[in-house]
Amino acid sequence: SAVISQKPSRDICQRGTSLTIQCQVDSQVTMMFWYRQQPGQSLTLIATANQGSEATYESGFVIDKFPISRPNLTFSTLTVSNMSPEDSSIYLCSVARGLDEKLFFGSGTQLSVL
Amino acid sequence: DAKTTQPTSMDCAEGRAANLPCNHSTISGNEYVYWYRQIHSQGPQYIIHGLKNNETNEMASLIITEDRKSSTLILPHATLRDTAVYYCIVPIYNQGGKLIFGQGTELSVKP
Repeated sequence: SAVISQKPSRDICQRGTSLTIQCQVDSQVTMMFWYRQQPGQSLTLIATANQGSEATYESGFVIDKFPISRPNLTFSTLTVSNMSPEDSSIYLCSVARGLDEKLFFGSGTQLSVL
Repeated sequence: DAKTTQPTSMDCAEGRAANLPCNHSTISGNEYVYWYRQIHSQGPQYIIHGLKNNETNEMASLIITEDRKSSTLILPHATLRDTAVYYCIVPIYNQGGKLIFGQGTELSVKP
C-alpha cells in the first residue's frame, strides 16, 4: 500500500486568495491525480500530475485556476487560485504505482471559501 | 472509454449478503473492472478488481459474467460499517489509467 499525507486537512479562506495543497507519498509512484468532490457529489478528476512536465487537465479545468506541480515521484501540489465560494469542496490526491495498479487516496483537504 | 451503470441506491439487512450490480457492456477484452467505496467524509478505498475470472479477497467477492458485460460485487456478511457509496469503474488506459467516477451505488446497511 501507499501512505499519502495531504496537507492541510482543512482550511477556511477568503474570496480572491489562493491555497496550495500538498500531497506527499511514502514511496515512489508513477501516477498521481487530483480530484475534487463538491458537497453531495461524486469525485471529479481535475488533472493528472506528470513528473517533470505540465499536468494534463480534464475538460473544464485550466492551469491558471489550478496550477499543479510534480517535481519528483513522491510529491505534488495543487493550488486553487483566486478562490470563490464555488471552489468550496474536498480536494483529494490519489496515487498508483503503475498502470493496472490500484489507486490510493489521501484523506482530502476540506476547503471552505467565504 | 467503457462506461459503467449502477443503481443509485440499495438497502441491505445487517448480516446478509449485499450484491451490488454493475453494467459495463462496452468494456474491451483487456480492460479491468475496479471497485472502490467511499465511507462518509473519507477518501475512496480500493476493494477489488478483476479481468474475467471471479475474484475474492478479505473484503469482498467479484463475479464477472462470461461475456464481461456486467459484474457483481458481493459483501458476504454486510455490517453497518459497510454503509458507503460503491463505485464500479473501468480505467481509461490510453490516458494514463485514470479513473472517472460515476455516481455509484449508495448502500445502506440496516440493523
